[in-house]
Amino acid sequence: ILNVEQSPQSLHVQEGDSTNFTCSFPSSNFYALHWYRWETAKSPEALFVMTLNGDEKKKGRISATLNTKEGYSYLYIKGSQPEDSATYLCAHLPGGSNYKLTFGKGTLLTVNP
Amino acid sequence: GAVVSQHPSWVICKSGTSVKIECRSLDFQATTMFWYRQFPKQSLMLMATSNEGSKATYEQGVEKDKFLINHASLTLSTLTVTSAHPEDSSFYICSARGRAGTRFNSPLHFGNGTRLTVT
Repeated sequence: ILNVEQSPQSLHVQEGDSTNFTCSFPSSNFYALHWYRWETAKSPEALFVMTLNGDEKKKGRISATLNTKEGYSYLYIKGSQPEDSATYLCAHLPGGSNYKLTFGKGTLLTVNP
Repeated sequence: GAVVSQHPSWVICKSGTSVKIECRSLDFQATTMFWYRQFPKQSLMLMATSNEGSKATYEQGVEKDKFLINHASLTLSTLTVTSAHPEDSSFYICSARGRAGTRFNSPLHFGNGTRLTVT
């Protein structure tokens, strides 16, 4: 993997469903992996910054895991709510990059009430 | 905390004119600001990195004479699109990290973005 890839591009879930999506990134020269939530007409909001292989972070109903050896991160949302509807971006920060993040295209989540 | 204000939210200009976009950190000092551009269905692409009081560093393929970046203070960075053309129509968004974010594992703080349409 040379770029940051996110899947799926979009998904629709019902309120109360749990869901997850994937971010794949180059596994070589890894420094950090960022997750952001971007609601329409607002600014992207940081969810997690992950640096260690096997790292698992949680914020309310949202959690994320990180596998730096195989180059992927999962974002999980438990019991989705309509207010979770947003685009979820991940970004890869390679070592020695002077903070140049490479973003994926995002996963657009729509939670239907 | 860590609010970044970006203005304008949207702008329409005529081909050949210049447009200035402002990015302000409201409650922290932004030592470094990043300017991104996003075309439809594409990812955020870094255009340039600016450090307060020094010249911006542009990414490959981004014309520094066309996209003028000024980071004159710790709370303000501006991006001026000079002699705009329809192909410059895009979504431009700034982000910042402050003094506390000197370690590379701190998140970025984003503005709301500016939708530029050049007619």
